[in-house]
Amino acid sequence: DGGITQSPKYLFRKEGQNVTLSCEQNLNHDAMYWYRQDPGQGLRLIYYSQIVNDFQKGDIAEGYSVSREKKESFPLTVTSAQKNPTAFYLCASSIVSGSGSPLHFGNGTRLTVT
Amino acid sequence: GENVEQHPSTLSVQEGDSAVIKCTYSDSASNYFPWYKQELGKRPQLIIDIRSNVGEKKDQRIAVTLNKTAKHFSLHITETQPEDSAVYFCAASKRSARQLTFGSGTQLTVLP
Repeated sequence: DGGITQSPKYLFRKEGQNVTLSCEQNLNHDAMYWYRQDPGQGLRLIYYSQIVNDFQKGDIAEGYSVSREKKESFPLTVTSAQKNPTAFYLCASSIVSGSGSPLHFGNGTRLTVT
Repeated sequence: GENVEQHPSTLSVQEGDSAVIKCTYSDSASNYFPWYKQELGKRPQLIIDIRSNVGEKKDQRIAVTLNKTAKHFSLHITETQPEDSAVYFCAASKRSARQLTFGSGTQLTVLP
């Protein structure tokens, strides 16, 4: 059954710690994305990757880092430099990066930092 | 860059009535306009999309209209049902863009 798997569903961390969110897809999609969702603010793009070993900053990349060593995997690290890390994080993929290619989302990871 | 505004932020309708959600975009080069539905605690899912070469698209009870001149597009849901209750997001992108720009979302509640 093809799809995108995000883990864990809930994550709790202490302030000052880095934390890595996992995203795996078996859809054979080239492009992958990380979005942050906050109440009343829609979906904001953190990073995206069009192909393996390549990624680009989105609108709110500060305090985050990513890697794309495999086509199937696009992990997101929330660093201690991110001032407001508590949020719902969504990973997505599409066949190609660009206009007209629908996004397929994972179920999300809710990160709480105290 | 592209800016997408979505209204209203919340919408309550009686079951069986119609619901309309509107979005405006800023970049006249945008040519792809999808709508996503996110039920409580679930992932956003694409429900309908439209490209700039058409003015309207329908799929059963949902339809999307596009006015390129005014740079706005709307989602129309007819004969609403309780399972239509969700957050709806509009988005826009242009051919040269590598990502979508999303609106801020509309919480639709269908009252029984």
